[in-house]
Amino acid sequence: DVKVTQSSRYLVKRTGEKVFLECVQDMDHENMFWYRQDPGLGLRLIYFSYDVKMKEKGDIPEGYSVSREKKERFSLILESASTNQTSMYLCASSLVSSGNTIYFGEGSWLTVV
Amino acid sequence: GQNIDQPTEMTATEGAIVQINCTYQTSGFNGLFWYQQHAGEAPTFLSYNVLDGLEEKGRFSSFLSRSKGYSYLLLKELQMKDSASYLCAVRSSYGNTPLVFGKGTRLSVIA
Repeated sequence: DVKVTQSSRYLVKRTGEKVFLECVQDMDHENMFWYRQDPGLGLRLIYFSYDVKMKEKGDIPEGYSVSREKKERFSLILESASTNQTSMYLCASSLVSSGNTIYFGEGSWLTVV
Repeated sequence: GQNIDQPTEMTATEGAIVQINCTYQTSGFNGLFWYQQHAGEAPTFLSYNVLDGLEEKGRFSSFLSRSKGYSYLLLKELQMKDSASYLCAVRSSYGNTPLVFGKGTRLSVIA
């Protein structure tokens, strides 16, 4: 089974703090993604990466950055957390081929106070 | 732009059949996916359609019409555990293109 592991399930951070969300996958997938999910807005893509050290902006990259130093690990960074970044963050991975589905981690619930 | 529409909420009775519709308008098309998401959990893959027609997998079936930009997910013999959100997602191009998700349909199965 594919395993996508997000390091933190629940976090509470203060406004202005730097926040790291870590994601590791164990299936040698080339592609990795970060989404956020909010009620009424659905899943929105923040950033994705199709190779080590490569990154592409998604639909809502403002206020976020990412890092992919190793193939299995994709980190989401909030340089200065704000209350409007309170959300559920989902990491996902997939193989390159178009027909391959993406596999999600369990999600990280971030509250910024 | 990319637009994927599905109903916000649906209610159905245990043992019944329910059809969840999804319409999409995207710059291209290279596959449509359905995911199930229980409250507080991650989405899990249900089905994939890239050609027109019906794909059946146990109690779940998914249909695609590319000319109409339309898909549906059919759930038969509903069980209480099928209460969840169902997400429609489209890949608009080949290779590494990320999926674009609809906002999801929350299905409640009642006794």
